[in-house]
Amino acid sequence: QVQLQESGPGLVKPSETLSLTCTVSGGSMSGYYWNWIRQPPGKGLEWIGYIYYSGTTKYNPSLKDRVTISVDTSKKQFSLKLNTVTAADTAVYYCAREVEARAVSGALVEFFDIWGRGTLVAVSS
Amino acid sequence: DTQVTQSPPSLSASVGDRVTITCRASQSINDYLNWYQQKPGKAPKLLIYGASNLRSGVPSRFSGSGSGTDFTLTISSLQTEDFATYYCQESYRTRTFGQGTKLEIK
Repeated sequence: QVQLQESGPGLVKPSETLSLTCTVSGGSMSGYYWNWIRQPPGKGLEWIGYIYYSGTTKYNPSLKDRVTISVDTSKKQFSLKLNTVTAADTAVYYCAREVEARAVSGALVEFFDIWGRGTLVAVSS
Repeated sequence: DTQVTQSPPSLSASVGDRVTITCRASQSINDYLNWYQQKPGKAPKLLIYGASNLRSGVPSRFSGSGSGTDFTLTISSLQTEDFATYYCQESYRTRTFGQGTKLEIK
């Protein structure tokens, strides 16, 4: 079965760039959207953005000026870069696969069906 | 952007109780609304997609309803393992999450 694993530094200095990679195992990247989601300690979930396996991206408007998501299907990896971080960017970062399925209404709806375990990134000097 | 407001923020209930959590979108999202369960230290898990479709393997005591702007997640008879935090999430335009509802044991 498909599994996702986040990797990257657990500590980043303020004003620097946070970089994380998500490795996909047990399945193909083709046909899916690949997402980054974060959760500050003790708080709720915030969607960061996604990349389609072919490279199309969409970002949270509140973060889009600082975020870049890229994909390397040959390595079965996708990556997150978040620029100019502050303490407010301290969070557990999750990668997640997004799929489509037909709802009762007949519409094709999207949802996150597989998540990584998450990795805590702290922003501190 | 579509805002998603979830209520209540927290809820105390007993095993066997029926509980309902609501989610309201700031504009119509048809049935592009999903529900997740998260336990401490774990990643969220999908329960319901498309407002009312139960994910395979999820117990039938979980159900979802609604369309347009108003949605509900109902747990018909709470079990011990259901005490967790629940999030709604819209997928109509972006991927906005609700603020979460922490379900605690009374």
